[in-house]
Amino acid sequence: GESVGLHLPTLSVQEGDNSIINCAYSNSASDYFIWYKQESGKGPQFIIDIRSNMDKRQGQRVTVLLNKTVKHLSLQIAATQPGDSAVYFCAEGETGANNLFFGTGTRLTVIP
Amino acid sequence: DGGITQSPKYLFRKEGQNVTLSCEQNLNHDAMYWYRQDPGQGLRLIYYSQIVNDFQKGDIAEGYSVSREKKESFPLTVTSAQKNPTAFYLCASSTQFVGSYEQYFGPGTRLTVT
Repeated sequence: GESVGLHLPTLSVQEGDNSIINCAYSNSASDYFIWYKQESGKGPQFIIDIRSNMDKRQGQRVTVLLNKTVKHLSLQIAATQPGDSAVYFCAEGETGANNLFFGTGTRLTVIP
Repeated sequence: DGGITQSPKYLFRKEGQNVTLSCEQNLNHDAMYWYRQDPGQGLRLIYYSQIVNDFQKGDIAEGYSVSREKKESFPLTVTSAQKNPTAFYLCASSTQFVGSYEQYFGPGTRLTVT
C-alpha cells in the first residue's frame, strides 16, 4: 500500500512471477484513477487508467482493479520482468476538481 | 515527436541564487503543472496554469515563481526564499485542467543547491 513516511513500501518478486501493487485512495468522490511507473531519475510514465464506472481494466501484461466500496486500487503485472523494476504510484482525480492527487508509491524490485 | 522537455537534467547552484527551470511541451495542452518530488515522498504541486497568462499557487508555492507567456512554455524560478530547494522537479501537462485527464510528465530536473 501507499505510505506517507520517508520509506517507500517495497515489493520484491522473482522474474516471471506476477506482481500485485496496492493503493488506498482517500476521496470517495474520485472517479478517475491512473497508475504511473517511475524509473530512477526519470519522469513518471503512464501505465493504465480506469474510471469509476469500471471494476477492472486490462492492458498489455497489466490489469487494474478498482474496489470503490473500500476505496482500493491495485495493479497486477503478469510475468514480471527486470525492466519492470521501478516505483509505481497511483493518482486519483475527480471530474470537476482541479487536479490529480498522487500517492507516495511502491518500489518494485524484480529478482532475476 | 510530441512530448514534454525539461532542461537541464541536472542543475547546481549556490545558496542565495535564483535559478530557472525550463519546461516546454508540443502536445498543444492547455494545462501545465510543476511538482516537486523528494526521496520517499509523493509529488507535491507547486504551481499550475490552466491557460496562457494565468497561473495559480499549488500546495507548496512559497519560494517559487512561474510565468505562462506562451502555451508551450511554463518556466519555474526557484528563488533564494525557498528554504530547501534541493529536489527533483517535474513538469507535467494535460489537455484540460480537470481531475479526470491523464497528466503527461517531462523527464525532470534534479536541482542541487549548496
